[in-house]
Amino acid sequence: GQNIDQPTEMTATEGAIVQINCTYQTSGFNGLFWYQQHAGEAPTFLSYNVLDGLEEKGRFSSFLSRSKGYSYLLLKELQMKDSASYLCAALDSNYQLIWGAGTKLIIKP
Amino acid sequence: IAGITQAPTSQILAAGRRMTLRCTQDMRHNAMYWYRQDLGLGLRLIHYSNTAGTTGKGEVPDGYSVSRANTDDFPLTLASAVPSQTSVYFCASSDSFDNQPQHFGDGTRLSIL
Repeated sequence: GQNIDQPTEMTATEGAIVQINCTYQTSGFNGLFWYQQHAGEAPTFLSYNVLDGLEEKGRFSSFLSRSKGYSYLLLKELQMKDSASYLCAALDSNYQLIWGAGTKLIIKP
Repeated sequence: IAGITQAPTSQILAAGRRMTLRCTQDMRHNAMYWYRQDLGLGLRLIHYSNTAGTTGKGEVPDGYSVSRANTDDFPLTLASAVPSQTSVYFCASSDSFDNQPQHFGDGTRLSIL
């Protein structure tokens, strides 16, 4: 079957760095997405990786290892506004997104 | 402002009633999607449309139907609502049905009693 695993909740301190891990098992693979979702709001696109390696975009970076079925989202210089859920989603062979349940990130001052 | 509009924002509905959730986008995106989001679960795809005039079933299509008469609109209908359909429903769109990022509406919070 198809499955996405990510931690349910993480806590970090303002100004610090946090890494949110995601492992995936899908029928075929056409890339890995990360979305941010604030409580009560819509998910918003953060990053897309299809090749192995690290993609940096400002304070946020995303990494992919296709051989290990593994990705992580790295958030630097954490701000209080980064408190949100972070959703990992893998694109399967039918170009349908398989979503993880999300990681709730709590930022403490 | 370009984007996706969903209506209603929230609704309480008696079991057995028919309900249509509306979704309109003004980005001229070809692909559109309906998801449900339940606590502790990932987003689950209900139905999708690659382009106007075509629709397809997602992971959890039972009890739901969709139509795509034009590019902009993609309504979701619950023919006879049941309590297990209580959820937050998100409509999304993307430029094409491949690896393009999906853009989401603000969601409809639906409670079936």
